[in-house]
Amino acid sequence: EVQLVESGGGLVQPGGSLRLSCAASGFSFNVYWMHWVRQIPGKGLVWVSRVSPDGTSTRRYVDSVKGRFTISRDNARNTLNLQMDSLRAEDTALYYCVRGTTSGATIFDHWGQGTLVTVSS
Amino acid sequence: DIQMTQSPSTLSASVGDRITITCRASQNINRWLAWYQQKPGKLPKLLIQVASILQNGVPSRFSGSGSGTEFTLTISSLQPDDFATYYCQQYDTEGTFGQGTKVEIK
Repeated sequence: EVQLVESGGGLVQPGGSLRLSCAASGFSFNVYWMHWVRQIPGKGLVWVSRVSPDGTSTRRYVDSVKGRFTISRDNARNTLNLQMDSLRAEDTALYYCVRGTTSGATIFDHWGQGTLVTVSS
Repeated sequence: DIQMTQSPSTLSASVGDRITITCRASQNINRWLAWYQQKPGKLPKLLIQVASILQNGVPSRFSGSGSGTEFTLTISSLQPDDFATYYCQQYDTEGTFGQGTKVEIK
């Protein structure tokens, strides 16, 4: 059974940093593209970032987080990370760790339960 | 960036109704479009990819069509389990979701 378990969310002041992690199990982590998607509770979905299976060849971000967020993965530990710096109020959301595909198509078939990030003074 | 626009934002319907949700892309995305269903407090569920290919286990009352910039999701006979919010998502370039269509009980 595919499992994705996020951690690391919390309350942080504007300008602060957080590091989200996602522990993956139940599938061959090192052949799947992995993503972060966020959702303000009660609102819509926003794709945030993706990383290639090897962790180095491709990292992409939505424009609103470019230069502030960094996605990474550790295939030896089946872990996906999102380093979030210079946080803003508008980054407040539930952040989902999401499995993509082996082909690179940005579609999502398994989601973690999410970790809540609140940016507020 | 590719923008996705869904209509309507809210749709009121009854059990047994045939409903259609429209999704428009700001530029040509060929058939690189997916549809998701999300119920309150639950995770999104992938229903359709490549505009019209149903995921395993998705009831046949769901169908998708379209290409280029205009797409539709149709539920042929709405069931109680179908009241939810539906999102389209393009994956021609990265991934952009529409704003969602809430299907509510009339």
